[in-house]
Amino acid sequence: DVQLVESGGALVQPGGSLRLSCAASGFSFSSSHMNWVRQAPGKGLEWISYITSSSGTIFYADSVKGRFTISRDNVQNSLYLQMNSLRVEDTAVYYCVKDSVVTTVADYYYYMDVWGKGTTVTVSS
Amino acid sequence: QSVLTQPPSASGTPGQRVTISCSGSSSDIGSHHVHWYQQLPGTAPKLLIYRNDLRPSGVPDRFSGSKSGTSASLAISGLRSEDEAYYYCAAWDDSLRGHVFGTGTRVSVL
Repeated sequence: DVQLVESGGALVQPGGSLRLSCAASGFSFSSSHMNWVRQAPGKGLEWISYITSSSGTIFYADSVKGRFTISRDNVQNSLYLQMNSLRVEDTAVYYCVKDSVVTTVADYYYYMDVWGKGTTVTVSS
Repeated sequence: QSVLTQPPSASGTPGQRVTISCSGSSSDIGSHHVHWYQQLPGTAPKLLIYRNDLRPSGVPDRFSGSKSGTSASLAISGLRSEDEAYYYCAAWDDSLRGHVFGTGTRVSVL
């Protein structure tokens, strides 16, 4: 079965740091682009970062740019999110999400298809 | 942070048809396919529709999607109590260089 398991969530003080991990199994992780998506309590979904399979292209949402760093280890089949200078508004459930890429003669598109169960980050003093 | 607009709520009685709209712009829905996610209470989102109108294996054909221009919609026919959930649309955004989500719609079965 395709599976993504996040870990590393915790209670941290404002200004602190945290590193999230996501263990992937059941699919070719090294060939897959990956994302982090978060959901603040009672709020909607917010995409925060994307990394291609080779780590050659990385994007961030403006809300985390300069503070968060996405990375991956294709040998360990793991995705990471280093979070620095944490703010109260970073409190959320963080999901690791796999991208699926479809290439045909007439089309090329990608979408987020597999989600982990999430890990909770609480930023509070 | 959401750039795709959805109605906050929709409802219907069992067996009815419910439609949810998703409005975007030329840089997101206007240029890319739309995908839909279902989030049941207390769980992670699950892919419901991809590439505007395709259903992953295991998704009932009661769920259907469509797209026109810079808008998309999700329809649930034969509404069932287990369809009570939040529904989110999503698309890639060229100007933001990332995935963008809709504001989310809570579907209630009366």
